[in-house]
Amino acid sequence: GENVGLHLPTLSVQEGDNSIINCAYSNSASDYFIWYKQESGKGPQFIIDIRSNMDKRQGQRVTVLLNKTVKHLSLQIAATQPGDSAVYFCAENPNAGNMLTFGGGTRLMVKP
Amino acid sequence: GAGVSQTPSNKVTEKGKYVELRCDPISGHTALYWYRQSLGQGPEFLIYFQGTGAADDSGLPNDRFFAVRPEGSVSTLKIQRTERGDSAVYLCASSPLAGGIHNEQFFGPGTRLTVL
Repeated sequence: GENVGLHLPTLSVQEGDNSIINCAYSNSASDYFIWYKQESGKGPQFIIDIRSNMDKRQGQRVTVLLNKTVKHLSLQIAATQPGDSAVYFCAENPNAGNMLTFGGGTRLMVKP
Repeated sequence: GAGVSQTPSNKVTEKGKYVELRCDPISGHTALYWYRQSLGQGPEFLIYFQGTGAADDSGLPNDRFFAVRPEGSVSTLKIQRTERGDSAVYLCASSPLAGGIHNEQFFGPGTRLTVL
């Protein structure tokens, strides 16, 4: 399958530790943000989203933090598991229904 | 339930040939998106359909690229006179978009296009 993520920043964590993946977005008008997980040979898979009227949102083992002042987004994964190994992309959506603008991606590697 | 499907999964063609890539969105989703992903990069927007019409085609790189969605469901991305630089994974996504509300986009597995 497609080897997604060559030459990407890499975060290596020990299984069971928490992971934090960061993203800087570009458009101050963006009001909706999504984190996607992409495994090799597959399309991006939705993890969690957040709207600009919030600064934190929690899901199952994941938390997204949004700092609009500095245009920064982060994804926290609790108790990281080997199955979390993938490339993670943040995406911003400045207009309802329109395209997503993706960041450059971070490869997460989980060591057993 | 079935997700977004794309065919073929892999397409190898020669420079100058014409190719068609197909996307079957999730049933009932009104919005459909095409993206292109080069190796080591995030997906880049190509075109977005709301129903049958192309609501935004600003991401299409040039007039060799065209997409249709004649019945508001299946979409076909068409590339004429392919060039080696067109080699990439072409991703399709759909969304149950309604009336200006942000909605999650569900992605298909992509078609890997290789132009020799």
